[in-house]
Amino acid sequence: DTAVSQTPKYLVTQMGNDKSIKCEQNLGHDTMYWYKQDSKKFLKIMFSYNNKELIINETVPNRFSPKSPDKAHLNLHINSLELGDSAVYFCASSHQPGQRNSPLHFGNGTRLTVT
Amino acid sequence: EDQVTQSPEALRLQEGESSSLNCSYTVSGLRGLFWYRQDPGKGPEFLFTLYSAGEEKEKERLKATLTKKESFLHITAPKPEDSATYLCAVPKGYGGATNKLIFGTGTLLAVQP
Repeated sequence: DTAVSQTPKYLVTQMGNDKSIKCEQNLGHDTMYWYKQDSKKFLKIMFSYNNKELIINETVPNRFSPKSPDKAHLNLHINSLELGDSAVYFCASSHQPGQRNSPLHFGNGTRLTVT
Repeated sequence: EDQVTQSPEALRLQEGESSSLNCSYTVSGLRGLFWYRQDPGKGPEFLFTLYSAGEEKEKERLKATLTKKESFLHITAPKPEDSATYLCAVPKGYGGATNKLIFGTGTLLAVQP
């Protein structure tokens, strides 16, 4: 009965490779997010989709491309991986932005290590 | 610039020793302040939302309070299982969406038996 699930949990790859992370939520939420947590534990938003539509796109390299096939799924594809991409990537979901009592629910993260 | 600052960075308590964590923020038009708990290897887990100065929320040994410039997370008689990183966050409006959360860097709490 996992609410927000991400796969894989660990991802180790070499520089220059392309990889994807998948996320699914079964909470019936309309909005999904990708956050990046760096080595200092600082969480920063990357993208947000509301009902399959991109609504937040922070200053993220074009090598990162999110895709939302439906409102329960949000995937993250990363091209030409670089050492600096090493981090923990969290997927999250919530009810409609702007609603009160719409906290984010996070998955358990994907630890990406680029060697 | 919108900013969230948490202190202390790390806190070590003995079991039963009460204390408080601080979260100060500088955002215009606060639309709520969120507290999360994060265990190692896990995603942040939602604890509380506070919307207006003077508001308080409680859950077991935790009580969160909010003023116009900061929030406190009070931990009463903590137990070792309260050990975690506590994060606070405020939403920044973005094209009508208010769920672009600005996170603080967290307070790492260790409660020793």
